[in-house]
Amino acid sequence: NAGVMQNPRHLVRRRGQEARLRCSPMKGHSHVYWYRQLPEEGLKFMVYLQKENIIDESGMPKERFSAEFPKEGPSILRIQQVVRGDSAAYFCASSPTRGNYGYTFGSGTRLTVV
Amino acid sequence: AQTVTQSQPEMSVQEAETVTLSCTYDTSESNYYLFWYKQPPSRQMILVIRQEAYKQQNATENRFSVNFQKAAKSFSLKISDSQLGDTAMYFCAFMKHEGNQFYFGTGTSLTVIP
Repeated sequence: NAGVMQNPRHLVRRRGQEARLRCSPMKGHSHVYWYRQLPEEGLKFMVYLQKENIIDESGMPKERFSAEFPKEGPSILRIQQVVRGDSAAYFCASSPTRGNYGYTFGSGTRLTVV
Repeated sequence: AQTVTQSQPEMSVQEAETVTLSCTYDTSESNYYLFWYKQPPSRQMILVIRQEAYKQQNATENRFSVNFQKAAKSFSLKISDSQLGDTAMYFCAFMKHEGNQFYFGTGTSLTVIP
């Protein structure tokens, strides 16, 4: 079992470009969560998705950020027109059901905006 | 709202000694889960230990144990016989009983000294 796979591991973007972060959940997991970790801070929840549905996006910034989890393929976190303040590590997690059982994190994507 | 506070940004311990990491939290929920996660330099979030709030017995996992004081809303982690591989950031986290997101503290950076 490959675990939660995130790519790329590192991503550098210039201000104003778009960043696309990908997450493949563990086999058998249909629930996906995205978190952001700013320097010197803990992870902060952004969004919770099930296949083709956004269940809870209470932690997502209102502008420039979007997430999807299509029927086929990985979940994508998309950040449009990136700014320096978007520089952070973005973590994906997945679980087989809602709740904390089997909740498994990926190794994150470190986004650097220059 | 749920908040998790870790008041020790950095700690160190001699190899083979015991160290305790502190965590307090605030919630109006009566049933919930508490966790300690380890984040080594690889960035992978690794579950160390999990406690269900309705269980009075403190959770233990090999060299790791917790002191859960529900009335005081305190959840400390004790690491016995510290090993070099325990060097990492440690995050305390909270999840509601029917929840889907973690609330993380800001972390404690632990260094085990040979």
